[in-house]
Amino acid sequence: AQSVTQPDIHITVSEGASLELRCNYSYGATPYLFWYVQSPGQGLQLLLKYFSGDTLVQGIKGFEAEFKRSQSSFNLRKPSVHWSDAAEYFCAIIMEYGNKLVFGAGTILRVKS
Amino acid sequence: GEEVAQTPKHLVRGEGQKAKLYCAPIKGHSYVFWYQQVLKNEFKFLISFQNENVFDETGMPKERFSAKCLPNSPCSLEIQATKLEDSAVYFCASSLPVGQGDIQYFGAGTRLSVL
Repeated sequence: AQSVTQPDIHITVSEGASLELRCNYSYGATPYLFWYVQSPGQGLQLLLKYFSGDTLVQGIKGFEAEFKRSQSSFNLRKPSVHWSDAAEYFCAIIMEYGNKLVFGAGTILRVKS
Repeated sequence: GEEVAQTPKHLVRGEGQKAKLYCAPIKGHSYVFWYQQVLKNEFKFLISFQNENVFDETGMPKERFSAKCLPNSPCSLEIQATKLEDSAVYFCASSLPVGQGDIQYFGAGTRLSVL
């Protein structure tokens, strides 16, 4: 069965430090890949997506992600974290257009000043 | 509209009562999805529609859950005889027709509290 793994439940970084959130997927082909962010009590906001082409994708709020086929990974990065980035981050995949999103369990990011 | 609109924001029901949630997708979007986010923040897919037709219902607990997307009306998710474990936030998402984009846009959710 298709699955998404986010191995880190919580991550704490200092403001201004760099960030990397890990995501691995299990699927026989290359899925569509997404990162969403959820602030407390809010819905999901799309940060970035990968469908094909350049494996390094840029998103909103200064985030980027790199798709590595050999590792079945799609890790999210930001060079300098801001206190407002504190939220929960979800990696998700779609196998075919129109299909459901399969989510990872999420990573809660805490930012310390 | 330009955003997915979900109503109500919060719904409180006694165990055994009925709950009905509504979702107005973004205008022009032909796919609608319902997800359930439970206490551990995990997302569970429930059902999806392509226009008014059920596209995928593999996640629906069919004995108590039902959903519809009728023309010119908000989509709805109904839970008959709610149970304590139905307490969750229910999210609706919509996306464009095939070939026009593959991004699901989410509403703000409806928090269902079953007491």
